[in-house]
Amino acid sequence: QVHLVESGGGVVQPGRSLRLSCAASGLTFSSYGMHWVRQAPGKGLEWVAIISYDGKNQDYADSVRGRFTISRDDSKSTVYLQMNSLRVEDTAVYYCVKDLTSDYYDPAFDFWGPGTLVSVSS
Amino acid sequence: AIQMTQSPSSLSASVGDRVTITCRASQGIRNDLGWYQHKSGKAPKFLIYSVSHLQNGVPSRFSGNRSATDFTLTISSLQPEDFATYYCVQDHTYPLTFGGGTTVEI
Repeated sequence: QVHLVESGGGVVQPGRSLRLSCAASGLTFSSYGMHWVRQAPGKGLEWVAIISYDGKNQDYADSVRGRFTISRDDSKSTVYLQMNSLRVEDTAVYYCVKDLTSDYYDPAFDFWGPGTLVSVSS
Repeated sequence: AIQMTQSPSSLSASVGDRVTITCRASQGIRNDLGWYQHKSGKAPKFLIYSVSHLQNGVPSRFSGNRSATDFTLTISSLQPEDFATYYCVQDHTYPLTFGGGTTVEI
């Protein structure tokens, strides 16, 4: 059974950095693309980033491009989200999401972790 | 980025009702659209991909369809466990974009 557990969330001041981790189990991790999706308080879901199964391709939402970096370590079955220059509007629950397949150009959000809360506040 | 306009933003319904939610894309996305169910405090659940293909384990009362530029999610007979917020998402082009969500309330 697939299991995703996010960690690294917390309270941080504007302009500071935070790194989220997502540990996966119950799957052949290196066969799947991975995403981060977030939900700000009282708002809807917003896709944040994707990394392909082989780590060669990444893409980002316009709102985080240039500030956030997604990466993966297949030896640890873990995907990361490095968040720099954090803003108040980055406050959200961040979900780690497994893609349905290895096809970077046909993504789908197959399985979601429980999420970790990031709060950006002075 | 492609804009996804979802309607209504909320609706009230009763157990046994037929419910339809609509999403419209700001440009062509072929059949690259999925639907997700989200209950407060829980991880979202994948329901439908490629407009109309049910994910494994999703009850057959859920269905998806497309008419020109409008994409619909229909619940044929609403059950108590279906009260939640539903989101469409286009996966045609990066950045992927969600609709604003539809909350189905009792």
